[in-house]
Amino acid sequence: NAGVTQTPKFQVLKTGQSMTLQCAQDMNHNSMYWYRQDPGMGLRLIYYSASEGTTDKGEVPNGYNVSRLNKREFSLRLESAAPSQTSVYFCASDSGFGNQPQHFGDGTRLSIL
Amino acid sequence: EDKVVQSPLSLVVHEGDTVTLNCSYEVTNFRSLLWYKQEKKAPTFLFMLTSSGIEKKSGRLSSILDKKELFSILNITATQTGDSAVYLCATSSNSGYALNFGKGTSLLVTP
Repeated sequence: NAGVTQTPKFQVLKTGQSMTLQCAQDMNHNSMYWYRQDPGMGLRLIYYSASEGTTDKGEVPNGYNVSRLNKREFSLRLESAAPSQTSVYFCASDSGFGNQPQHFGDGTRLSIL
Repeated sequence: EDKVVQSPLSLVVHEGDTVTLNCSYEVTNFRSLLWYKQEKKAPTFLFMLTSSGIEKKSGRLSSILDKKELFSILNITATQTGDSAVYLCATSSNSGYALNFGKGTSLLVTP
């Protein structure tokens, strides 16, 4: 049971480099989400995709872009990485109907020097 | 602005103790409250609560929601070292798709 798969698991970047985080789900879910988790801050929503072909900003979208490639895949791109983007990034998915919980991937630990 | 506040932020107990974790919330157009357990990696789902006063139970864990007073509690009885984790509370709204998370309660169960 794969569920939500994120790649890579770890990455170190230099300031100004770009990077794409990948996420795929195999549960036929309509909605997908990107969160970041920082110490003492809980999980904060970056972007989400309610359904294939749509994306919307969350609480902390600055410095990020997303692409809903198809129903299974939702990627997060950092165009010019900054040290403030050092965080653990989680992808999640759900049916989009509000009656089922979100399922999370194992996260990507990203460090920007 | 929607808000989720968890208390305490951290807790240390001995194996066999019973613990109660608290979550209070302010949500526009409330739909549900969820509890997750997070160990090293992904948050894993525990409970989803939508109706007030109905207890959800799974083994030694249980949770209840009070929609009038806007809070929920998560109880863990006969704690074990494997219960050590961060417990996250989140709310969802009928106005949107995403979850709004609290900062979590870090629970350490010592032998």
